[in-house]
Amino acid sequence: EADIYQTPRYLVIGTGKKITLECSQTMGHDKMYWYQQDPGMELHLIHYSYGVNSTEKGDLSSESTVSRIRTEHFPLTLESARPSHTSQYLCASSELHEQFFGPGTRLTVL
Amino acid sequence: AQKITQTQPGMFVQEKEAVTLDCTYDTSDPSYGLFWYKQPSSGEMIFLIYQGSYDQQNATEGRYSLNFQKARKSANLVISASQLGDSAMYFCAMREDHTGNQFYFGTGTSLTVIP
Repeated sequence: EADIYQTPRYLVIGTGKKITLECSQTMGHDKMYWYQQDPGMELHLIHYSYGVNSTEKGDLSSESTVSRIRTEHFPLTLESARPSHTSQYLCASSELHEQFFGPGTRLTVL
Repeated sequence: AQKITQTQPGMFVQEKEAVTLDCTYDTSDPSYGLFWYKQPSSGEMIFLIYQGSYDQQNATEGRYSLNFQKARKSANLVISASQLGDSAMYFCAMREDHTGNQFYFGTGTSLTVIP
């Protein structure tokens, strides 16, 4: 069983608020990822990291930022939430041949 | 060009029957990995099965098997003896080993198992 956690699981917030979605894993994986997924649709990579102090933007243009100060922690921050950010956000980590996902955060911006 | 193509937006299968979910991929990297994930309505992504590009045999995990045809660049998922709990979205994904270790996902196939 994968040990990757995301909080909060659900978040409803007003436009313009700053929010941070938390992701942590206890497997010691170097590689971590953030995906955005609308219901029933494909996953879009928004950020990834190969290790501490290493972060890259993914294919999907996003107004979010990430940091990787510790191996186990990879938070995603939206400086000013907008209704277009309403979606599910999935965090994942990988090592060798496996990629494990967290349970996701369902974000609604009013 | 799409890295991963899943051409079946929706599939239906009778309970206890087998079903094949199609996946084709595009890469010039000689070393890559292919993955299948299940996503039930709860939203979590569940890893099902992995196939490496150099693996000689098709991967199997319980009722799941991956029909790997390298020359055709296809990696179809076969689910045997379908169960009602198999109803979910299924995503095919690929990781290219020499180009940054990003994972590329298909658009998914929605599988419904009919009692």
